[in-house]
Amino acid sequence: DTGVSQNPRHKITKRGQNVTFRCDPISEHNRLYWYRQTLGQGPEFLTYFQNEAQLEKSRLLSDRFSAERPKGSFSTLEIQRTEQGDSAMYLCASSLDRGGYTFGSGTRLTVV
Amino acid sequence: AQSVSQHNHHVILSEAASLELGCNYSYGGTVNLFWYVQYPGQHLQLLLKYFSGDPLVKGIKGFEAEFIKSKFSFNLRKPSVQWSDTAEYFCAVNVRLGNQGGKLIFGQGTELSVKP
Repeated sequence: DTGVSQNPRHKITKRGQNVTFRCDPISEHNRLYWYRQTLGQGPEFLTYFQNEAQLEKSRLLSDRFSAERPKGSFSTLEIQRTEQGDSAMYLCASSLDRGGYTFGSGTRLTVV
Repeated sequence: AQSVSQHNHHVILSEAASLELGCNYSYGGTVNLFWYVQYPGQHLQLLLKYFSGDPLVKGIKGFEAEFIKSKFSFNLRKPSVQWSDTAEYFCAVNVRLGNQGGKLIFGQGTELSVKP
């Protein structure tokens, strides 16, 4: 499979716990993006990387959220001290410069 | 701030009807424009994109979109819809700012239901 891979597909966690999601982009893509999508809404931009550099972070990304892309390949998104409002689908996408964006299937987070 | 507006939240059509979904964006500079489709339970898939050149863009599955710069619009069209087109459709804009501004900004989506 040469698409964008996200793990896990589903995550149920208790409020206050930390969670980490992983995204493996298409190997030759230098840009990687994280989005959050809630029911009935379009994806909201969270952050993006060009290679290993994090170039932009949305104001939606509170201090509890952190993303890394240590070697310019896979990326992780961590949410600390989860809240019920964090429940959403977290999407990862990758692109080559300004080409088309390929999205992964997402990680659905449920905070109980 | 840049934004994307999709006019219809939910559209219901019968098979063989024509489709037009509206999309407007707010940004005065150079943009790239996209339409994505999300079938139930599946991930976002690219239908078509506009970067430059002919403002009438043809995509997959018989979809097309027209970029009208003066109206800041990029409406999606299909002459005859099928039941299998039932999905959610998202318009998105990428703002060109040199090497910055790589993010896509999405509209809120339009849910299309096609009755057999």
